This record gives sequence, structure tokens and C-alpha cells, in this order.
Amino acid sequence: QLQLQESGPGLVKPSETLSLTCTVSGGSISRSSYYWGWIRQPPGMGLEWIGSMYYRGSTYYNPSLKSRVTISVDRSKNQFSLKLNSVTAADTAVYYCARHIVGTTGGVDYWGQGTLVTVSS
Amino acid sequence: DIQMTQSPSSLSASVGDRVTITCQASQDISNYLHWYQQKPGKAPKLLIYDASNLETGVPSRFSGSGSGTDFTFTISSLQPEDIATYYCQQCDNLPLTFGGGTKVEIK
Repeated sequence: QLQLQESGPGLVKPSETLSLTCTVSGGSISRSSYYWGWIRQPPGMGLEWIGSMYYRGSTYYNPSLKSRVTISVDRSKNQFSLKLNSVTAADTAVYYCARHIVGTTGGVDYWGQGTLVTVSS
Repeated sequence: DIQMTQSPSSLSASVGDRVTITCQASQDISNYLHWYQQKPGKAPKLLIYDASNLETGVPSRFSGSGSGTDFTFTISSLQPEDIATYYCQQCDNLPLTFGGGTKVEIK
């Protein structure tokens, strides 16, 4: 059974960089056709896709966040990571890592449990 | 970007009632429309993929239909454990986009 687990600081100061890692177990992030991504949810609000990495390594970002986001991979550890720089209070949210498909059958079928990141001084 | 318009934003129904939620895409997304259930403090859970396919283990009272731009999600007989927020989402193209959510409560 595939499992995803987010890790990283729960508190980040304004203007600094938010860094999270997703560790995948029970399957390889190099498995064909899948995307590995980040989705966030501000308290009491809806879901926003941040960006994803295709299994081959190419990355795709939400245009609204593109200038501040980097997603990278460490295949030796079966992990992928998120960096969001110049954070403000508006970036306070639960951050989920997830696996998904694009343009073919299936949705976001595996999610991490989510981790709350608060931006505050 | 493909915009997803979901309605209603909330609803209150009695146990045993039929509940229907609609989702409209701003352009044709074929059947790459998925429905999720999110309970408080939990990650969303995929219930229906490709508009009408039930994910393994999901009760048959949940169903979905539609294609192109208009989609419907139905709970045939609302149960107390169905209290949650439901989201539609398109995976036809990036950026992935979600509907605004429908909060389902018991009357």
C-alpha cells in the first residue's frame, strides 16, 4: 500500500522559505505515468494545487505561485520536496503531498496526511 | 486555466435523503472529473474517478455522472457518516483545479 508522509517545520517567519519533504513508501516515485505534487488548503478554505513533478523529472507549477515555488526530487530516498520562498501570512495552510494522473484515467488517488504550516513572526 | 464551478456551497438534508451536487467546467474536460470527500482534520479521499467510476471500497450509495463540462455527484441515501465537504476536481490538464466545495450537513 502506497503511503506518503510530509515533514518539515510547522512555523515559518514572514519573508523566509517554507521547505517540506514528502517521503513515499510502498512504491517508487519513478513509476511510469504518475505525477507527484503538492496541494494546500488554508484554514477553512478550499484546495489549491501548488505544483507537481512528473515521474521523469519535469516540473509544473501553478501560475499564481510559479515565481516562488521549486519542486525537487531525491530518487535515492524516494522523496520529493517543496520550497516556497518569500512567504506571507497568506501562505498559512495545511500542505498535502499527493500522487496524481493528468489527461488519462484516475485522479489524485494517494494523499499524505497533511502538515500545517503557519507563517508568523 | 480550467475553472470549476461547484454548487451548492452547502446543504442540509435528512438521513435517507437523496443529495445532489453539481460541478461545471469552463471548458470540455472529457470525463477527467473526480470527486473527493474531506472530513474535518483529514486529507481528501478519492470517491469517484473519471466522472462515474467508484473507487474501491466506496459505498454504492455514492455515484457520479456527466461528461464534457457538466457533472453530477449523488448520494442516494444520506447517512450520518457522510457528513463532510465534497470537492470536484479536473485532471484533464495542468494546473489541476478544484471546485469550491460543498459542505453537507444533517438536518
